[in-house]
Amino acid sequence: GENVEQHPSTLSVQEGDSAVIKCTYSDSASNYFPWYKQELGKRPQLIIDIRSNVGEKKDQRIAVTLNKTAKHFSLHITETQPEDSAVYFCAAKVTNDMRFGAGTRLTVKP
Amino acid sequence: DTGVSQDPRHKITKRGQNVTFRCDPISEHNRLYWYRQTLGQGPEFLTYFQNEAQLEKSRLLSDRFSAERPKGSFSTLEIQRTEQGDSAMYLCASSSMFGDRLYGYTFGSGTRLTVV
Repeated sequence: GENVEQHPSTLSVQEGDSAVIKCTYSDSASNYFPWYKQELGKRPQLIIDIRSNVGEKKDQRIAVTLNKTAKHFSLHITETQPEDSAVYFCAAKVTNDMRFGAGTRLTVKP
Repeated sequence: DTGVSQDPRHKITKRGQNVTFRCDPISEHNRLYWYRQTLGQGPEFLTYFQNEAQLEKSRLLSDRFSAERPKGSFSTLEIQRTEQGDSAMYLCASSSMFGDRLYGYTFGSGTRLTVV
């Protein structure tokens, strides 16, 4: 079945710096790749997604890139702010369900 | 419709007891999913429904677990003879699926189960 690997597991950046989180997937049939932000004790919230027919998508300070050939996709957060601190999960849609990475705990230091 | 609702938010139970959780999806969504999340891990897929049909079950879903979605609306997840290893956050999500395109994948707030 699909296997989604995410790294790093923890990431600490200074406020204003950029943060990059990377994921790889194994099933070439995967065609939808969302990213979720989960704050402590709260539900995962969709922050951005990309479909397999698109290479890059941006939404203000957040961007996602997809390399289908290499089967990896990345989340880029620019001009990080303390409120960006959370756990971020990547996911890949496999036929009928979603497989999640293990998460990256991002800490933005003021 | 305020999103995906789960009830209860927290459940503490003694080992060996049965527990049941409820999920109310976004009304226009035809798919409903159950996940389990333990501390420091991503959500792990358990099962999903398309309308009232349960179409896939993970190997994680032992015989003690059963899920239903009798009328294609809300769903229940029951765990029988709970074990301490069942302690986790149980998340429900719903989405729409048209062809092979997924739309609006939204999580509920989860039910945190503690087995003592």
